[in-house]
Amino acid sequence: QKEVEQNSGPLSVPEGAIASLNCTYSDRGSQSFFWYRQYSGKSPELIMFIYSNGDKEDGRFTAQLNKASQYVSLLIRDSQPSDSATYLCAVFSSGTYKYIFGTGTRLKVLA
Amino acid sequence: GAVVSQHPSWVICKSGTSVKIECRSLDFQATTMFWYRQFPKQSLMLMATSNEGSKATYEQGVEKDKFLINHASLTLSTLTVTSAHPEDSSFYICSASPGGEAQYFGPGTRLTVL
Repeated sequence: QKEVEQNSGPLSVPEGAIASLNCTYSDRGSQSFFWYRQYSGKSPELIMFIYSNGDKEDGRFTAQLNKASQYVSLLIRDSQPSDSATYLCAVFSSGTYKYIFGTGTRLKVLA
Repeated sequence: GAVVSQHPSWVICKSGTSVKIECRSLDFQATTMFWYRQFPKQSLMLMATSNEGSKATYEQGVEKDKFLINHASLTLSTLTVTSAHPEDSSFYICSASPGGEAQYFGPGTRLTVL
């Protein structure tokens, strides 16, 4: 089992819809969870992070964390074509001080 | 805030030469810097973690004698790819952390070895 798993996609949604991106992780001791956006040929850009169970909202983005299920998700409301990118989930291990990245989900927002 | 720069943004070199990539945190002090490599259509692969003033910690399978990392100050880390070969061609990305758990990525360096 991979440490951080994401569906590679592509996930296609129409413009204006809600895009839902999911991520599961294997290390129950993980405490910090990050979502990055990566455009083709560019480096990752931090969207948001979450530490506590529940929802965290920032503009059109909402991160959801369920530690019991080892599951973290990112919702993008009112999706725009400019949101089309690969979204990387990362989990921070305080024990090793490392970030473990998923392979990313490619999102396509159709105009 | 939290800006990380990398230089150069791209480099083409001949096989057998060495290439140095710089990573700088511009507006914060980075206690830890990370070096990643990303091949096309693949995710980030952590190569090494470096802390200012100490030796870098390399991931399994990464040759420390080939990928030399120096973290001389709290704002600068360098990665030198020694005796580069075509299979070293990749997108090299650094990130820096001011402490705590956030990390901020540089724009990356695309290395092509002919």
